[in-house]
Amino acid sequence: QQQVKQSPQSLIVQKGGISIINCAYENTAFDYFPWYQQFPGKGPALLIAIRPDVSEKKEGRFTISFNKSAKQFSLHIMDSQPGDSATYFCAASPPGTASKLTFGTGTRLQVTL
Amino acid sequence: DAGITQSPRHKVTETGTPVTLRCHQTENHRYMYWYRQDPGHGLRLIHYSYGVKDTDKGEVSDGYSVSRSKTEDFLLTLESATSSQTSVYFCAISEDRRGLLKDGYTFGSGTRLTVV
Repeated sequence: QQQVKQSPQSLIVQKGGISIINCAYENTAFDYFPWYQQFPGKGPALLIAIRPDVSEKKEGRFTISFNKSAKQFSLHIMDSQPGDSATYFCAASPPGTASKLTFGTGTRLQVTL
Repeated sequence: DAGITQSPRHKVTETGTPVTLRCHQTENHRYMYWYRQDPGHGLRLIHYSYGVKDTDKGEVSDGYSVSRSKTEDFLLTLESATSSQTSVYFCAISEDRRGLLKDGYTFGSGTRLTVV
């Protein structure tokens, strides 16, 4: 059972545009929602993360929006650049020392000139 | 990637042969993980370790075994490789199980395994 559903599977955005990737989760106990960025030939790396006590977190051009009632969170990349072309994974985990991250299926973003 | 290395980076093997992938860390992190990455499936956890000789199964553990005899090394073994195990394998490390601290889960650069 997939606990975190991510969409779209792939996305093409023009340079300067806004990239939006969405994730929906089922487990209402989830309380940590990170996004990972993966460049070709590399492993994923933590990009930005949010806790449900806030509805939005911004770091530079990257923003996470969180909607607890809808059980959804999304990544917005403002002023998208060709260097942002990568695969993005959302993830989530519930509280508890035994919990681990559950990853979404990934979104391949291509930013064109 | 700094602090974590995977070997080999690429491997082609025949169906039915045993294969061992190695993950080595220099960060002294307690937690280590093996994932496989496949198109349409994202990152799926195979096995993980929460200490020396302490391991547990992930969601796709069938056909795989692991061992951790030292803090720094985590081995993934395919006892008898099958074509369905053709994939990119990633090792990850973390200070805490949830990835809340510092850099979250730190991933290696991956091993591309092809089973023919």
